[in-house]
Amino acid sequence: QLLESGGGLVQPGGSRRLSCSASGFTFSVFAMTWVRQAPGKGLEWVSTITESGAKISYADSVKGRFTISRDNSDNTLYLQMTSLRAEDTATYYCARERVTVSATRWFDPWGQGTLVTVSS
Amino acid sequence: QSVLTQPPSASGTPGQSVSISCSGGSSNLGHYAVSWYQLLPGTAPKLLIYSNDQRPSGVPDRFSGSKSGTSASLAISGLQSEDEADYYCAAWDGRLNGWVFGGGSKVTVL
Repeated sequence: QLLESGGGLVQPGGSRRLSCSASGFTFSVFAMTWVRQAPGKGLEWVSTITESGAKISYADSVKGRFTISRDNSDNTLYLQMTSLRAEDTATYYCARERVTVSATRWFDPWGQGTLVTVSS
Repeated sequence: QSVLTQPPSASGTPGQSVSISCSGGSSNLGHYAVSWYQLLPGTAPKLLIYSNDQRPSGVPDRFSGSKSGTSASLAISGLQSEDEADYYCAAWDGRLNGWVFGGGSKVTVL
């Protein structure tokens, strides 16, 4: 199970840290991802972090502004968001990434999401 | 503009079948497996299909997936009212070094 928190109203240019608390599985052996959905829009991949945190990737739209991290001792995934813009307004989901030996990947499960609204 | 292309909508009456296409390119669907997700308002996105055509336990066998080359599709047979939702395809993109999604398809049960 995944449970996001930390959403809310933020002013443009502000910062916010999202958390995703994992339970029911061995968090430290799975890569984790943040995906967002702006109001009335589709899903957009934000960032992925590998099991140990050694490899991280970001969507171009958030690169340099968002930082993904994880605490395997606390089973928690984070997304530090800075220099927030109106277009970052979205529901942010965390998801566990499954990867097979043949490099097939998918997301399961997902959290219920936390809404971040960037507005003055 | 999404990297993967889906029709914005599909519809059918109860009991009918609907199919949703997902078109990509050589760097995503042409090289990597597709997965499909169901989004219902206020609920966590749900995995429907992984590895192109595999169904997780608990997903009804009315849902099926396929992929050929750079195109994939999700089929829903025996359409039920609870299938009314948004559906998204997704795949890893080796050129972008990240995940790409389709724009989503809204299925309406008439």
